[in-house]
Amino acid sequence: RKEVEQDPGPFNVPEGATVAFNCTYSNSASQSFFWYRQDCRKEPKLLMSVYSSGNEDGRFTAQLNRASQYISLLIRDSKLSDSATYLCVAHSGYSTLTFGKGTMLLVSP
Amino acid sequence: GAGVSQSPSNKVTEKGKDVELRCDPISGHTALYWYRQSLGQGLEFLIYFQGNSAPDKSGLPSDRFSAERTGGSVSTLTIQRTQQEDSAVYLCASSLGRVGTDTQYFGPGTRLTVL
Repeated sequence: RKEVEQDPGPFNVPEGATVAFNCTYSNSASQSFFWYRQDCRKEPKLLMSVYSSGNEDGRFTAQLNRASQYISLLIRDSKLSDSATYLCVAHSGYSTLTFGKGTMLLVSP
Repeated sequence: GAGVSQSPSNKVTEKGKDVELRCDPISGHTALYWYRQSLGQGLEFLIYFQGNSAPDKSGLPSDRFSAERTGGSVSTLTIQRTQQEDSAVYLCASSLGRVGTDTQYFGPGTRLTVL
């Protein structure tokens, strides 16, 4: 079983829509979590950290459910510029981050 | 300020040749990471440096892969006797300190093609 699993998509949504991605992790010792964004043929960039209490940054909301070992990302009022691949990342307390393969989002006019 | 830089941006080599990839982290960042990303795949961790030492090199796929870091700054990833399956984008990232706490900043990557 992969350590961090995501639906690869693509998720095709119109501008203005609300879209949510989930990600599951297998290592119950994972301590911190992140969402990264990767544009086509570009490097990943941190979108937001995910806190136990949930956190919001503008149109983006991240949630963590430790009991079910999943993380979610909600994007409201989607923009064309949100089209990208969203990578779920878990840190297990050792030295490395484990990345999921990503969920592709395509926002159309 | 300057971000993470990598060179070359593209490298085409013949099977069996050695290649060297370079990463210049953000100044002052003590942690440095190498990943590779194959087409349609996620990021695969290769090695992590804290300063000049590598406490975690568990992701190196074979003994053909090695990496070093000098002066707590520049790192080079060397692949000996390249194989076609080594073709991928090799990404370097750096962070100020503790992994999992401090944000990792990625370089633009080196696209390696082994013919």
